[in-house]
Amino acid sequence: DTGVSQDPRHKITKRGQNVTFRCDPISEHNRLYWYRQTLGQGPEFLTYFQNEAQLEKSRLLSDRFSAERPKGSFSTLEIQRTEQGDSAMYLCASSPMTVHYEQYFGPGTRLTVT
Amino acid sequence: AQSVTQLDSHVSVSEGTPVLLRCNYSSSYSPSLFWYVQHPNKGLQLLLKYTSAATLVKGINGFEAEFKKSETSFHLTKPSAHMSDAAEYFCVVVWRAAGNKLTFGGGTRVLVKP
Repeated sequence: DTGVSQDPRHKITKRGQNVTFRCDPISEHNRLYWYRQTLGQGPEFLTYFQNEAQLEKSRLLSDRFSAERPKGSFSTLEIQRTEQGDSAMYLCASSPMTVHYEQYFGPGTRLTVT
Repeated sequence: AQSVTQLDSHVSVSEGTPVLLRCNYSSSYSPSLFWYVQHPNKGLQLLLKYTSAATLVKGINGFEAEFKKSETSFHLTKPSAHMSDAAEYFCVVVWRAAGNKLTFGGGTRVLVKP
């Protein structure tokens, strides 16, 4: 399967703990996006990378959130000192440079903070 | 402000009857428009896209959508619903001036009755 993959698919953590999610984009795609989807809502943009450069961050991305894409391939999203309000589905998408508005999504990581 | 509104949060249809999902956007510029579908426990899948070519766009699984600039609408239709169409559908807008990040509507959940 050459689609976007995310790991883990589910994560349950206690409030205050740190969590890290991984996204592997489609190999030839140079743009990678992170979105967050809460129950009953559409996904909301968090941040995106072009190769290894993080080009934009939403104001939804508080100081507790950090994303990296060190070699322009996979990306990680870390949440420090998790709060119950962080419970959501975290979606990753990738797109090619030439058709960057056409994004392909992974299955998501569902985070539950207890 | 740029936004996208899905006018119905839930739509219930009988199998074999038409489906209409309504979407309106607000923008001073002509955006690119998409419909995505999300089946339970699966990733978002692109149904169709409008990128300033033909205003009537055909997508996968018999869906189509019509871009009406004068009405700032991009409604999704299917002439005959199938049980497998039960899912959540998102109208999505991309504004090139906004870094090509996707802006999602709130979603419409479709229920198909036998």
